[in-house]
Amino acid sequence: EDQVTQSPEALRLQEGESSSLNCSYTVSGLRGLFWYRQDPGKGPEFLFTLYSAGEEKEKERLKATLTKKESFLHITAPKPEDSATYLCAVHETGGGADGLTFGKGTHLIIQP
Amino acid sequence: EAQVTQNPRYLITVTGKKLTVTCSQNMNHEYMSWYRQDPGLGLRQIYYSMNVEVTDKGDVPEGYKVSRKEKRNFPLILESPSPNQTSLYFCASSLGGAGQYFGPGTRLTVT
Repeated sequence: EDQVTQSPEALRLQEGESSSLNCSYTVSGLRGLFWYRQDPGKGPEFLFTLYSAGEEKEKERLKATLTKKESFLHITAPKPEDSATYLCAVHETGGGADGLTFGKGTHLIIQP
Repeated sequence: EAQVTQNPRYLITVTGKKLTVTCSQNMNHEYMSWYRQDPGLGLRQIYYSMNVEVTDKGDVPEGYKVSRKEKRNFPLILESPSPNQTSLYFCASSLGGAGQYFGPGTRLTVT
């Protein structure tokens, strides 16, 4: 069972059409939740870190929110340059590996 | 400029020929990590290091080795590569639990 599930897998929007990407997680204790953007053939680019339920972070057209079970990445009035794969990752307290567990990502396409 | 660098960026090799992928960061980060990314499987952690001389296994460590003799460098070693290690590899670094900074990736093909 995946600990981090992102939906939808793919999303196609018109320029200016706002929407939200979902990241649900099932870890026993959350140390942090991270959002990344990845362009084809490149390394993930760090966007946000969220640490506790109720927290929100914003950057340009992107806004990330966090609850106890999931996080949303809201995209307001997107532009074609926002097209990318958006990855969510969680950092779990305790356990063995002290690393990030990634979801499989949402492939976002913004059409002009 | 703060960055994580990896070399080589592209590598084609044959089964069983030992190889090393280098990773270096200039941000004085304690934490470094290696991931592989495969279609349909996403990013999976191979090994990580909390600091110099401290390394530990991630989710998919089989067939890989790492070392952390200096804070800035974290090489990934494939002693006897096999075709199932064909993948896109990323090195990352961070300050403890903060967001990780990723390198540009190394595309490895093992024939």
